[in-house]
Amino acid sequence: AQSVTQPDIHITVSEGASLELRCNYSYGATPYLFWYVQSPGQGLQLLLKYFSGDTLVQGIKGFEAEFKRSQSSFNLRKPSVHWSDAAEYFCAVGADNQGGKLIFGQGTELSVKP
Amino acid sequence: DAGITQSPRYKITETGRQVTLMCHQTWSHSYMFWYRQDLGHGLRLIYYSAAADITDKGEVPDGYVVSRSKTENFPLTLESATRSQTSVYFCASRDRRDTQYFGPGTRLTVL
Repeated sequence: AQSVTQPDIHITVSEGASLELRCNYSYGATPYLFWYVQSPGQGLQLLLKYFSGDTLVQGIKGFEAEFKRSQSSFNLRKPSVHWSDAAEYFCAVGADNQGGKLIFGQGTELSVKP
Repeated sequence: DAGITQSPRYKITETGRQVTLMCHQTWSHSYMFWYRQDLGHGLRLIYYSAAADITDKGEVPDGYVVSRSKTENFPLTLESATRSQTSVYFCASRDRRDTQYFGPGTRLTVL
């Protein structure tokens, strides 16, 4: 069955520290991969996406993600976290044969310590 | 303004009442989606639509009805609301590159 797993429900990092949020997927087809961010009380905003080509993808707000097919992973990284990055982060996967539907992970809540 | 909007943003209703949540997008995207977000479950797809007059069930469709008479609108109706339908509901539309854009959400409370 198709699934997306975000193993970490909650992560706390210090401001200025590096960040890596994990995402693993199980998908039969060639996947499209997304990371979205949700601030409290807000909708989801697209951070970055991977469709094909270069496996290291740059997004907004200084985020990047790397697609590793051998590990079925699409981890999100940021070299230096800012207090404003505190939010919930969702990984999602879709494919050509899925009618545009996405499957979302359960989300990782990021807290940032001063 | 261009984008995707939802109304109302907040709604309190009682068990058994009918409730309709509205979604409007200005991009003329063909695909539109309804999700619900609950703690511990992430986002779950309720219904989606590939075009006007074409709709299909998602992961959790029971208790919900959708229609799509115009490309820009995709209302979601709870025919007889239950407490288990208390949730935050998000509408989204998809561009030609499979990227979904989300509305601000509707927080629904069923008493």
